[in-house]
Amino acid sequence: DAGVTQSPTHLIKTRGQQVTLRCSPKSGHDTVSWYQQALGQGPQFIFQYYEEEERQRGNFPDRFSGHQFPNYSSELNVNALLLGDSALYLCASSRGTGTIYFGEGSWLTVV
Amino acid sequence: ILNVEQSPQSLHVQEGDSTNFTCSFPSSNFYALHWYRWETAKSPEALFVMTLNGDEKKKGRISATLNTKEGYSYLYIKGSQPEDSATYLCALNTGFQKLVFGTGTRLLVSP
Repeated sequence: DAGVTQSPTHLIKTRGQQVTLRCSPKSGHDTVSWYQQALGQGPQFIFQYYEEEERQRGNFPDRFSGHQFPNYSSELNVNALLLGDSALYLCASSRGTGTIYFGEGSWLTVV
Repeated sequence: ILNVEQSPQSLHVQEGDSTNFTCSFPSSNFYALHWYRWETAKSPEALFVMTLNGDEKKKGRISATLNTKEGYSYLYIKGSQPEDSATYLCALNTGFQKLVFGTGTRLLVSP
């Protein structure tokens, strides 16, 4: 049983560009959350998707958007990239109140 | 804003030493406290989920306690081994599996 898988693992973008990160949840999980971990900080909650809708959102600007597909996979989109968006982006999946599993993350560098 | 603090930031011990870290939080307004172990280049691994004041959980040489009245959780590692080297994260589940993380304690165990 594959756990949470994320792609790409690493990418480099230029300021002002747009990026899409992808996440496949663990089998049987229907809830996907995204976190940003900047250097020296703990992961920060961006938003959560359940039943193809955004259920909760953290303190991130509208440049951060997402989507959940009928198969529960999810995308995180960031528009108008800033240098400060450089971080590790983690995807987490769960079902109900069960264990929350994380992927290995996507490293984004904005130059 | 719920502020989760972890101490120490980093710890260097010798193989065989026992060690403990602290996760502190200002209120008991959460559903559960989660501990994760995160090795470099891997995904965070769930260790414990604690929900009740006085909860004690154990997994091999690692154990954790929760005191919601005084606002802290301790993680103990008995007889540390080099493979215990990792960052240990604590997080509060504020509802619908949204996690608010501390900044982590980085543990290095030398042979």
